[in-house]
Amino acid sequence: KAGVTQTPRYLIKTRGQQVTLSCSPISGHRSVSWYQQTPGQGLQFLFEYFSETQRNKGNFPGRFSGRQFSNSRSEMNVSTLELGDSALYLCASSFFYMPDTEAFFGQGTRLTVV
Amino acid sequence: GQQLNQSPQSMFIQEGEDVSMNCTSSSIFNTWLWYKQDPGEGPVLLIALYKAGELTSNGRLTAQFGITRKDSFLNISASIPSDVGIYFCAGRPDQGGSEKLVFGKGTKLTVNP
Repeated sequence: KAGVTQTPRYLIKTRGQQVTLSCSPISGHRSVSWYQQTPGQGLQFLFEYFSETQRNKGNFPGRFSGRQFSNSRSEMNVSTLELGDSALYLCASSFFYMPDTEAFFGQGTRLTVV
Repeated sequence: GQQLNQSPQSMFIQEGEDVSMNCTSSSIFNTWLWYKQDPGEGPVLLIALYKAGELTSNGRLTAQFGITRKDSFLNISASIPSDVGIYFCAGRPDQGGSEKLVFGKGTKLTVNP
């Protein structure tokens, strides 16, 4: 069974640009969550999707957005990139979004903003 | 928002030693998950706990869901060099809804051969 796949693995962007990251969950999983990981802040929750609907949202500015498609694949978009957006972006997939479910992570996308 | 206090922040041990780390919360959690992350990689799920008092093992790893539902610990026995990495606890607060996972800040483990 394939794991969570995130593409691309590495990305370098310039300030002001926008970026789209992709996440394909484990087959059969319908919930996808996104996290930003930086050395200083640890894992920060961005948002969670289930059945194409956003179920939870973290405390990030509106420049960060996401969506989920009918095949459960998810994308997150960051517009008007800032230097502080450089981070490892992780997505996690779960069978469901309620408690008592395990979350499995992809390898992440390392975004560098210059 | 919810906070998880994970300790210790870092550990330096000799190969063969046992390791213990824990996570505490000010509120009740209904799920505790323990992950290990290697540099540049995503966290890998080690153990999942769903009931108060539950004790679960995965090889040399043992984790427990605290009886108060506000804490969890992870033990690693007879550590080896490949145990090096950052260990994260994560949990879902029991607030009756679809609460997101909350993560601790991590415990960085260094094992000296």
